[in-house]
Amino acid sequence: AQKITQTQPGMFVQEKEAVTLDCTYDTSDQSYGLFWYKQPSSGEMIFLIYQGSYDEQNATEGRYSLNFQKARKSANLVISASQLGDSAMYFCAMRGSGGYQKVTFGTGTKLQVIP
Amino acid sequence: GAGVSQSPRYKVAKRGQDVALRCDPISGHVSLFWYQQALGQGPEFLTYFQNEAQLDKSGLPSDRFFAERPEGSVSTLKIQRTQQEDSAVYLCASSFGLQAPYEQYFGPGTRLTVT
Repeated sequence: AQKITQTQPGMFVQEKEAVTLDCTYDTSDQSYGLFWYKQPSSGEMIFLIYQGSYDEQNATEGRYSLNFQKARKSANLVISASQLGDSAMYFCAMRGSGGYQKVTFGTGTKLQVIP
Repeated sequence: GAGVSQSPRYKVAKRGQDVALRCDPISGHVSLFWYQQALGQGPEFLTYFQNEAQLDKSGLPSDRFFAERPEGSVSTLKIQRTQQEDSAVYLCASSFGLQAPYEQYFGPGTRLTVT
């Protein structure tokens, strides 16, 4: 079974500052994938970034980076230079091995960017 | 190209009524997923199709829930004899599905309210 834990129900960050959203996971799979999604108040889930378990480098996508620490089973999302439009719910998610694509989501972190 | 679309966006049903929720995935996407998202929670997996084959329906909460994707494209989630606990947002997602990272692209969701 896979489990995703997000321990921060809510976070505040000042505009233009960086923020880290925490995610830990548990799985018995050797091969797996980790995702972060953003859900604005409009409700649509937006794919942000992906990290494969065998990727040696941390994933980056523009202002988003994933701090992957495999031994600690953590996959924190770092958002640099926060913008007001970053205010949203953020979900960490995990996919199991191979082509089996079922994804397990965490409970989310609500990020609010303060002007 | 068009994203994932879902209809209706909002549905109010009286307890005991049957409802049908439709999902149009991104053209060419092999995999299709249904999730249930309760207020303030992360999406919970319901079921997964690869083309027309339903590979996993372990998340369907009861035999009142039924999903189909007969031609490997459009999918319908049907809920029979709706109950108040079925009130939630139902999200559909699709992915190309043939190679990693298998990221999923979500529709806007259908908000179901059972009165």
